Amino acid sequence: RKEVEQDPGPFNVPEGATVAFNCTYSNSASQSFFWYRQDCRKEPKLLMSVYSSGNEDGRFTAQLNRASQYISLLIRDSKLSDSATYLCVVNPGGAGKSTFGDGTTLTVKP
Amino acid sequence: GAVVSQHPSWVICKSGTSVKIECRSLDFQATTMFWYRQFPKQSLMLMATSNEGSKATYEQGVEKDKFLINHASLTLSTLTVTSAHPEDSSFYICSARGGLPGSWLEQYFGPGTRLTVT
Repeated sequence: RKEVEQDPGPFNVPEGATVAFNCTYSNSASQSFFWYRQDCRKEPKLLMSVYSSGNEDGRFTAQLNRASQYISLLIRDSKLSDSATYLCVVNPGGAGKSTFGDGTTLTVKP
Repeated sequence: GAVVSQHPSWVICKSGTSVKIECRSLDFQATTMFWYRQFPKQSLMLMATSNEGSKATYEQGVEKDKFLINHASLTLSTLTVTSAHPEDSSFYICSARGGLPGSWLEQYFGPGTRLTVT
């Protein structure tokens, strides 16, 4: 079993739709969680950190469920520019290295 | 803030030559830098982790004598692909972590270097 698992998709949604991605992790001691987005042939860019209480940034909402060991990313009112691969990242804390999921591909269509 | 640069952005070299890629954190001191490789339509693969002044820690299956990493300062790490072969052609991405209050676990990525070995 992978340390971090994501549904690879692809998710094809129309503009304006709401879409949610889940990511599960196996290390129950994980401390920090992030979502990154990666555009085709570009580097990953930090989208948002995920806090225990959940956090929202505009159309994006991230949630953490420690009991079930998953994090989620909700995108409301999808835009064409949201088309990208979304990477889930889990860190054990301290000086530990982060583990990246393989990513979920989202395509928003007009 | 949190800008990481990488140079060169793309390079074409002949088989057997060596290529050096630089990664710099421009506005923060990076306690740790990471080197990744990514093949088309595949996920990021961590190659090695380096801390300033220490030897890099390589992931299983990554040849340390082929991929030389030097982390000379808190703002600069280099990756040298020695005796490059066509199968080394890939997108190499560095990332830097540390130094930003409240967000020292967040990784910031350089724009990547596209290496083509002919």
